[in-house]
Amino acid sequence: DAKTTQPPSMDCAEGRAANLPCNHSTISGNEYVYWYRQIHSQGPQYIIHGLKNNETNEMASLIITEDRKSSTLILPHATLRDTAVYYCIVRVNNQGGKLIFGQGTELSVKP
Amino acid sequence: GAVVSQHPSRVICKSGTSVKIECRSLDFQATTMFWYRQFPKQSLMLMATSNEGSKATYEQGVEKDKFLINHASLTLSTLTVTSAHPEDSSFYICSASDPRDGTYNEQFFGPGTRLTVL
Repeated sequence: DAKTTQPPSMDCAEGRAANLPCNHSTISGNEYVYWYRQIHSQGPQYIIHGLKNNETNEMASLIITEDRKSSTLILPHATLRDTAVYYCIVRVNNQGGKLIFGQGTELSVKP
Repeated sequence: GAVVSQHPSRVICKSGTSVKIECRSLDFQATTMFWYRQFPKQSLMLMATSNEGSKATYEQGVEKDKFLINHASLTLSTLTVTSAHPEDSSFYICSASDPRDGTYNEQFFGPGTRLTVL
């Protein structure tokens, strides 16, 4: 079973920041937080991951709370092409890459 | 990032026939590949993990005799849906990783195969 909970859907205005929350209250000390997204009828796309420090790349920022029980994915300037289902996943890095997907958040970016 | 392809992208078959789906890593060696299934409006469900040169490990509830997985080379894994029935109609997605990359085990996903069984 997935170890994360996310809101089923969110809306965001184009050009504004999209903040997607994720709860992972049972995360273990050696588990990382990964974010993937899936645009309709395509394979998932890796976005970002982190252990305990905040992370940023060209796509997004990941903010992890100090107790690591929750995190937020931030898309700083959402575009219509960011409309997708966003999945937050926790896993240990040395488990052969196994990913267990939850229900994710369906983000709709509106003009 | 690394590229994973799937073939075919769409397939329609008659009930009772078998269908083979290919998953290829194009620019890296994938020692581990994963097969997922996704029904409409639902999340991805992991079906099995395959390691090159060994038998696949199936998730609970997935019939290994119905979903045959072969990972004979470092760049190719195949999923064969045997004796397909309409309830097998789904979106099948593969992913690949190279655990020898010691930084983190990023998975690279294929574009998916839409299977429709009539």
